Amino acid sequence: QVQLQESGPGLVKPSQTLSLTCTVSGGSISSGDYYWSWIRQHPGKGLEWIGYIYYSGSTYYNPSLKSRVTMSVDTSKHQFSLKLSSVTAADTAVYYCARDLPAAGTDVWGQGTTVTVSS
Amino acid sequence: DIQMTQSPSSVSASIGDRVTITCRASQGISSWLAWYQQKPGKAPKLLIYAASSLQSGVPSRFSGSGSGTDFTLTINSLQPEDFATYYCQQANSFPYTFGQGTKLEIK
Repeated sequence: QVQLQESGPGLVKPSQTLSLTCTVSGGSISSGDYYWSWIRQHPGKGLEWIGYIYYSGSTYYNPSLKSRVTMSVDTSKHQFSLKLSSVTAADTAVYYCARDLPAAGTDVWGQGTTVTVSS
Repeated sequence: DIQMTQSPSSVSASIGDRVTITCRASQGISSWLAWYQQKPGKAPKLLIYAASSLQSGVPSRFSGSGSGTDFTLTINSLQPEDFATYYCQQANSFPYTFGQGTKLEIK
């Protein structure tokens, strides 16, 4: 059974870069059947899809965040990563890594990690 | 982006009731719609994909229907563990987008 686990700093200063890593266990990140995604949820709010990376390294970023987002994948470590630059308080959220089955939704989620942007 | 609008925003119901939540897309998305359940402090859980397909392990009291722009999630015979927030998501085109959520509360 595939499991995902986010890791990274829980506190980031304004204007700095948020960096998170997701480790995939119990399954292969190199499966061509899935996209590997990041989704966030602002406190008490709904869900915002940030983007995905494919095992080959191809990406799609939400246009609302595209100028600040970079995703990468390291198949040898079974990990994929998110970088969000120039963060502000508006980027404070729970960040989830997830597995997307194309056209079918997000079937596996990490537990989520809270990132607070504050000086 | 495709906008997803859920209604109602919140609903109160009793154990054993039947509840229906609707989701409308701003443009046609065929049957590429998913439903999720989220409990406080937890990640969302996939319930329904492709509008009406039940995810493995999800109780059969959950069902989904619709196509094009209008979709429904129905929960028959509400159980205590069903009180949560429900989200729809379109998986027709990127960026994937979610509805604003429907909070199901105990009456």
